[in-house]
Amino acid sequence: EIVLTQSPGTLSLSPGEGATLSCRANQRVTSSHLAWYQQRPGQAPRLLIYGASSRATGIPERFSGSGSGTDFTLTISRLEPEDFAVYYCQQYGSSLYTFGQGTKLEIK
Amino acid sequence: QVHLVESGGGVVQPETSLRLSCAASGFTFSGYAMHWVRQAPGKGLEWMTVISHDGNRKYYADSVQGRATISRDNSKNTLYLHINSLTTDDTALYFCAKEGGYSYGPWVGYLDNWGQGSLVTVSS
Repeated sequence: EIVLTQSPGTLSLSPGEGATLSCRANQRVTSSHLAWYQQRPGQAPRLLIYGASSRATGIPERFSGSGSGTDFTLTISRLEPEDFAVYYCQQYGSSLYTFGQGTKLEIK
Repeated sequence: QVHLVESGGGVVQPETSLRLSCAASGFTFSGYAMHWVRQAPGKGLEWMTVISHDGNRKYYADSVQGRATISRDNSKNTLYLHINSLTTDDTALYFCAKEGGYSYGPWVGYLDNWGQGSLVTVSS
């Protein structure tokens, strides 16, 4: 089973700053099968990035994804107030899906 | 647009079973794989299971293998999840979600639309 470990657990930043969130796998992940989601309090998750670097429909350009192999990154440039939420990475392999434990992005 | 509505949650006793439903609209339901994902209170997302567009393939996380059964009725545009031998660890918000990609296409590995969830509380 592929285990995804996200870091940091919590990231405290101010609006306007940039954020870098990490997702590391315990074995190689096919880049086309790595996704990122945002979950605001009381809401369902929302797909942000798929295929490691492709933005989903309607996602602002300030969100970008990168990485390959076992190390993936979600970058948010110029944080907006609505970006403070929990972010999850997720992978698909061998017919199974797994999520990372999440990174909480909070206002400093 | 895509609309997914879960139902069937509530307070249930330990050691009993439960069936959740997910009504889908706004897309060709019969063309997409569908998932169940759950979230315990204050915790992260846990992928549970996926079913192929035609119901012929089903895969489960180790944590629910043997206790959960996913199914679908394409004539009713509805997805189901049956869980038996419930314990307090099954207390969670249960989401249904649609596989991304193209209708009748290969699995792409991401979930592009989610319902709002159905809360299940296991308590005596």
